[in-house]
Amino acid sequence: GAGVSQSPSNKVTEKGKDVELRCDPISGHTALYWYRQSLGQGLEFLIYFQGNSAPDKSGLPSDRFSAERTGGSVSTLTIQRTQQEDSAVYLCASSPRTGSNEKLFFGSGTQLSVL
Amino acid sequence: QKEVEQDPGPLSVPEGAIVSLNCTYSNSAFQYFMWYRQYSRKGPELLMYTYSSGNKEDGRFTAQVDKSSKYISLFIRDSQPSDSATYLCAGRNSGNTPLVFGKGTRLSVIA
Repeated sequence: GAGVSQSPSNKVTEKGKDVELRCDPISGHTALYWYRQSLGQGLEFLIYFQGNSAPDKSGLPSDRFSAERTGGSVSTLTIQRTQQEDSAVYLCASSPRTGSNEKLFFGSGTQLSVL
Repeated sequence: QKEVEQDPGPLSVPEGAIVSLNCTYSNSAFQYFMWYRQYSRKGPELLMYTYSSGNKEDGRFTAQVDKSSKYISLFIRDSQPSDSATYLCAGRNSGNTPLVFGKGTRLSVIA
């Protein structure tokens, strides 16, 4: 595809349920990032992958959050036992490589609403 | 203190005005600076990319970095209604560290 694809675009769930968010990066991009964007909070880094490995998970807010990447391509962000404070836009970005001058290409995000 | 501080606005200007958007940062190790533009319900898109101090110009857009004062600026000349969006500044140091974003400034250009 032409860009980073995220699904679903919108997800409404009940507190306590688990959700899975999917990201399809640009073909050939080895680096993949997850960010969270909340009202008034800007973009908050969650995790990044280089290939299938996650060298930096420092941004995951709690152990309810996990992510994986398979085949160096698709990534899934899973939130278990969702809470209302998890409501946000979850953005995925990919990059041809990591390194000082890398440039991120973002998807349109998944708007998660926890009722 | 957040690593990158940015006034969220909103900022409203008439069409044709010169717009100045600014950020400050606290991490003196930052070497790479970026401006992203985000339209409503879309992901951010890279607008400008600058290494270290100095200016970079691209059409109506000029990015400026002053490392001595840890100040990042984006200037938009002859602003257009299509420039109405949220503008996010970001910085990072060398190596494999993630981009750190400001909160974004919402800009409206009124026709």
